[in-house]
Amino acid sequence: EDQVTQSPEALRLQEGESSSLNCSYTVSGLRGLFWYRQDPGKGPEFLFTLYSAGEEKEKERLKATLTKKESFLHITAPKPEDSATYLCAVPGAQKLVFGQGTRLTINP
Amino acid sequence: GVTQSPTHLIKTRGQQVTLRCSSQSGHNTVSWYHQQALGQGPQFIFQYYREEENGRGNFPPRFSGLQFPNDSSELNVNALELDDSALYLCASSRQGQPYGYTFGSGTRLTVV
Repeated sequence: EDQVTQSPEALRLQEGESSSLNCSYTVSGLRGLFWYRQDPGKGPEFLFTLYSAGEEKEKERLKATLTKKESFLHITAPKPEDSATYLCAVPGAQKLVFGQGTRLTINP
Repeated sequence: GVTQSPTHLIKTRGQQVTLRCSSQSGHNTVSWYHQQALGQGPQFIFQYYREEENGRGNFPPRFSGLQFPNDSSELNVNALELDDSALYLCASSRQGQPYGYTFGSGTRLTVV
């Protein structure tokens, strides 16, 4: 069965302090990996899709990378508005399998 | 985008509830997810395509759904339990293009 594990569960940074979030996955055949951002009481907002090992995608202060076993979401010089829960997911049969998320807090 | 209604709902244990979802234009597949808390990832309930259930997660039969010809959808939950309190998320996509999931903002259900 497909499994996704994210770490850490929570991360608190100072504004401008760069860091990375980890997403480890076990799937029978990777057909992509998604990153989402979720704010409290809202639905997940799509950030990136990665399809193959070695692929990288960037959006503002975020960069997502993919290896054969894990994905990283790097956040560079974060701002308080980057505070949110970040979810990764892999597509299974008729569904997305999500990790539990990393709750990121950026202090001004 | 995907719109869900209502945004918030309070029900009593044992009651029944219906949640609604309008798909993004051009999408023909609707999936429902259950999220107990923000520290937990969304859990797949079921998916509908061409008005039929197309996959189901580990949820009891009292969770049921409908998809209508206009691709909108309903999630029905009978005999509500306290543990059903959660954020219910609807996601639409196009069959054959599973990578284009768009989520709604969810319905926050509280069972008291």
